[in-house]
This record gives sequence, structure tokens and C-alpha cells, in this order.
Amino acid sequence: SAVISQKPSRDICQRGTSLTIQCQVDSQVTMMFWYRQQPGQSLTLIATANQGSEATYESGFVIDKFPISRPNLTFSTLTVSNMSPEDSSIYLCSVGSSANEQFFGPGTRLTVL
Amino acid sequence: EDQVTQSPEALRLQEGESSSLNCSYTVSGLRGLFWYRQDPGKGPEFLFTLYSAGEEKEKERLKATLTKKESFLHITAPKPEDSATYLCAVHRSNDYKLSFGAGTTVTVRA
Repeated sequence: SAVISQKPSRDICQRGTSLTIQCQVDSQVTMMFWYRQQPGQSLTLIATANQGSEATYESGFVIDKFPISRPNLTFSTLTVSNMSPEDSSIYLCSVGSSANEQFFGPGTRLTVL
Repeated sequence: EDQVTQSPEALRLQEGESSSLNCSYTVSGLRGLFWYRQDPGKGPEFLFTLYSAGEEKEKERLKATLTKKESFLHITAPKPEDSATYLCAVHRSNDYKLSFGAGTTVTVRA
């Protein structure tokens, strides 16, 4: 399976600011995904990060709030914009494999004050 | 709409006390059912993928089985290090999305 790293691992941010989360994979992958895990909840897919094109967002998530970049096959970023306390969550990137499995990064724990 | 329901929400076991976790699902065209383990503050760790009814997979003290409507994760003679939240997810045949259940939090006491 791919080795996935995320930066930062955690952050505490002020309301109204933005945070960019990085996801780096040690091999080229076609599909990369961003998930949110709110406190005590399970994982919810935010969007699929497509290389060379705009991300595909799930219902309830919009590009203005969660802009995503995918400049190459090993890297993606997710920005959480104009943050509020409701955005406090763990943000996870994952990658798909040829066997249609998904492997997850360690997550970024975000707290918004 | 896909539905994935895990039970129980929480499970407290004595070391060595075997038990099972349930994942019931409703999905149009199952492509795969996944089990993950998640430790506090960490990302989910992949355990198994099951593709068709009747399939079974094992890893150490864990064994996953699949029927047409549900999957079971059996924990045999658990140890304290098996304490974690176990997540079930389904993958539809016509897209890439994983739909997750809420998870079962397992605590194993020595």
C-alpha cells in the first residue's frame, strides 16, 4: 500500500482564517480523496481530487469553502476557508489502489476557536 | 441511498473473550465491503476487503465474513491492543465513493 503523509498533523486556528492541508503520497496514484471526520462521527467524503482538472465535490460541500488543488499524481492540498468552530474536525486524505481499495493518511486535526 | 449500520456502538470485552461486530448494508450493486481499524487521533488502517457473499478473510485474531446483507468482524481471544474503533464501508459498483458506518468502539480489558 502507498505511504501517505499529511501536514500539518494538527492546528488551532482563529475563526475567519483559512488553513491549507497538504497530502503527499510516495507513489503516483490516479485517485485521491478528501474526507472529514467530525468529533464522534464517522467519515464523510468531501471531494475527489482529480489531477489536471477541477475537484468533484459531494453534496453539501462547495469549492469556495473547500478549494482543492491536485498539481501532480503524488500531491494534493485541501484548504478550509473562512473557518468557523463547526469546521473543527479531522481532515483525511486517501488514495485509491488498482484493487479499488482506499488507504488513508494519518489525518489533520483542526480546532477552530 | 446507501445505508451502512454498525452494531453495537460500543463493546467492552475481557481479554480472551471472543465476540463479533455487525455491519448491515443496503447498497445498489456492491463492489466491495471494507473493514478499517481506527485508533484515537489517527487515520483509518485498512484491514480487509470482501467482494462476494460467502467470502471470508482473516488477519491475526480478526476474521471478516460477508453475506448479501451484512458482514461480521469476529475477534477471537482479543488482547488489549485490539482496542480501537472498527469501521465498515461499502463501495458501489458504479462509482468510487466509500460510504462509512458510524463504527464500533471496542475496549478490551486485561
